Amino acid sequence: GDSVTQMEGPVTLSEEAFLTINCTYTATGYPSLFWYVQYPGEGLQLLLKATKADDKGSNKGFEATYRKETTSFHLEKGSVQVSDSAVYFCALRSFSSGSARQLTFGSGTQLTVLP
Amino acid sequence: DAGVIQSPRHEVTEMGQEVTLRCKPISGHNSLFWYRQTMMRGLELLIYFNNNVPIDDSGMPEDRFSAKMPNASFSTLKIQPSEPRDSAVYFCASGDRTSTDTQYFGPGTRLTVL
Repeated sequence: GDSVTQMEGPVTLSEEAFLTINCTYTATGYPSLFWYVQYPGEGLQLLLKATKADDKGSNKGFEATYRKETTSFHLEKGSVQVSDSAVYFCALRSFSSGSARQLTFGSGTQLTVLP
Repeated sequence: DAGVIQSPRHEVTEMGQEVTLRCKPISGHNSLFWYRQTMMRGLELLIYFNNNVPIDDSGMPEDRFSAKMPNASFSTLKIQPSEPRDSAVYFCASGDRTSTDTQYFGPGTRLTVL
């Protein structure tokens, strides 16, 4: 079955540090890939997405590239801010899932950015 | 757009009581999802509706849980009877075909069963 593996947290960085959160996946065919972010006390929000190999999703300074050869979709940001402190979820949507719009989520990575 | 609306935001109840969680999806969306989030198990999909019809309820933990979607603008998740292990944050999300599978999450309902 489909699965998503994220690097375990928590991750603690100083402001302006470089961020990488690793995400690898297992799926049949060509899944769409997503990063969602959850701020404290809120629901998940879509951060960025990529629907085919070599696509790069980007938003708010965050980027992730869909790498089919390594089945990865790592999240990066060049300079994090305190306001980026949140939980980040990697997810995929596979056409083999059977249900049209189910997403498979990773376990989430807690990021804390210190001033 | 008001986004996905969930009520109540917080619910505290005693074991054995019936609990009903409510969700209003974004107008025009035809897919609706109920999730449960706990520290131990992370984010779990409970049930998924498409055009008000339940498509996959394999994530519903047991018969104490039931979900309905009587129309395109309203859904409920009911737990009867509730147990302390049901304590979690329950999220509703909606989506449509034009958003390339993006799901829009509500703020969640934090349920505590004593």
